[in-house]
Amino acid sequence: EPEVTQTPSHQVTQMGQEVILRCVPISNHLYFYWYRQILGQKVEFLVSFYNNEISEKSEIFDDQFSVERPDGSNFTLKIRSTKLEDSAMYFCATSDRNTIYFGEGSWLTVV
Amino acid sequence: QKEVEQNSGPLSVPEGAIASLNCTYSDRVSQSFFWYRQYSGKSPELIMSIYSNGDKEDGRFTAQLNKASQYVSLLIRDSQPSDSATYLCAVTNSPNTGNQFYFGTGTSLTVIP
Repeated sequence: EPEVTQTPSHQVTQMGQEVILRCVPISNHLYFYWYRQILGQKVEFLVSFYNNEISEKSEIFDDQFSVERPDGSNFTLKIRSTKLEDSAMYFCATSDRNTIYFGEGSWLTVV
Repeated sequence: QKEVEQNSGPLSVPEGAIASLNCTYSDRVSQSFFWYRQYSGKSPELIMSIYSNGDKEDGRFTAQLNKASQYVSLLIRDSQPSDSATYLCAVTNSPNTGNQFYFGTGTSLTVIP
């Protein structure tokens, strides 16, 4: 069964450093998302991406965040200058226009 | 602010019983509704989707939707210990336009052997 793959599975970074989280969507899916989940809290929407541009973004997705699809396959989330409160599980998700499927997540710890 | 509300639980049921999970949503234009299961430390896994009023059955799972009451539920029959997880309700206006999915906080279910 096709799946969304994410790397790295876990990353520890120092506050202020840049982080790039990568995702390989399910092939033929056209809609891509990043969600995050702080430990013990709900799954929160960050951004959706379609046709090489952002479709929708939340208040969380401020200027420190960016997304791109640099090579037509990977879908990346960049956090320019990480803060302690960015520590969370980041989920990439892709959609086939009916529902969304999540990757296994990238656990980011900012110290 | 679009809200999806779920009882956080924990909900405990004995093995073999029916578990009933409930969800309400605030946005009347929501069109598509989903139940995801999330084990601790893992990603959400799709269980069922429902788009029309009424019941939809898939194995031991039944989703129920009432758009007039803005209410969606999930019944798990013959509950098994492996069903112990957090169940997330999600809604969206229209999945085929890249709209975001709004998630509830989840209901923690424990099935007692």
